[in-house]
Amino acid sequence: EDQVTQSPEALRLQEGESSSLNCSYTVSGLRGLFWYRQDPGKGPEFLFTLYSAGEEKEKERLKATLTKKESFLHITAPKPEDSATYLCAVQASGNTPLVFGKGTRLSVIA
Amino acid sequence: DAGVIQSPRHEVTEMGQEVTLRCKPISGHDYLFWYRQTMMRGLELLIYFNNNVPIDDSGMPEDRFSAKMPNASFSTLKIQPSEPRDSAVYFCASSRSTTSRGTQYFGPGTRLTVL
Repeated sequence: EDQVTQSPEALRLQEGESSSLNCSYTVSGLRGLFWYRQDPGKGPEFLFTLYSAGEEKEKERLKATLTKKESFLHITAPKPEDSATYLCAVQASGNTPLVFGKGTRLSVIA
Repeated sequence: DAGVIQSPRHEVTEMGQEVTLRCKPISGHDYLFWYRQTMMRGLELLIYFNNNVPIDDSGMPEDRFSAKMPNASFSTLKIQPSEPRDSAVYFCASSRSTTSRGTQYFGPGTRLTVL
């Protein structure tokens, strides 16, 4: 069974304090790993797709990396507007749907 | 583009009542997904459609839940009869098969409370 575990469940950072969120996964043949951002009261918003180990994607203060067992979302010099829940999801090979982790709730304090 | 549209945004109902949630996907998207999100279980896939045809409904919790997609621009998720444990936020999402199906666009969700 495909599984996704995210850690920590919650993270509180001071503005400018860099850190990383972890997404560990077990999947029968990875087709893609996805990161989404979810603001309170809204639906998840797509951030990145990673397809193979060693791949990296960047967007503003966020950088996502992928290994064969986990992915990291690095946040450099975060700002309060980066506060949100970050969701990781995997898609196995074939026509399987996404399996989501429970997310990491990030709070960035000014 | 208006994005994925869901209605209603909030629904409060009594146990035993029928609830119908509605979704309009992004034009040109041929995949539509229904999810349920709770604190305990996170985001769970209930059912998804491709070209209006249900492909996988294994996530639908019970026979009380049903979903339809009569055309490419409209889908419904119905719960009959509703129970307090159905209280959750229900999301609809859509994607295009020409891109990765993992790049899904979510609606704002319907917050359902069953008393």
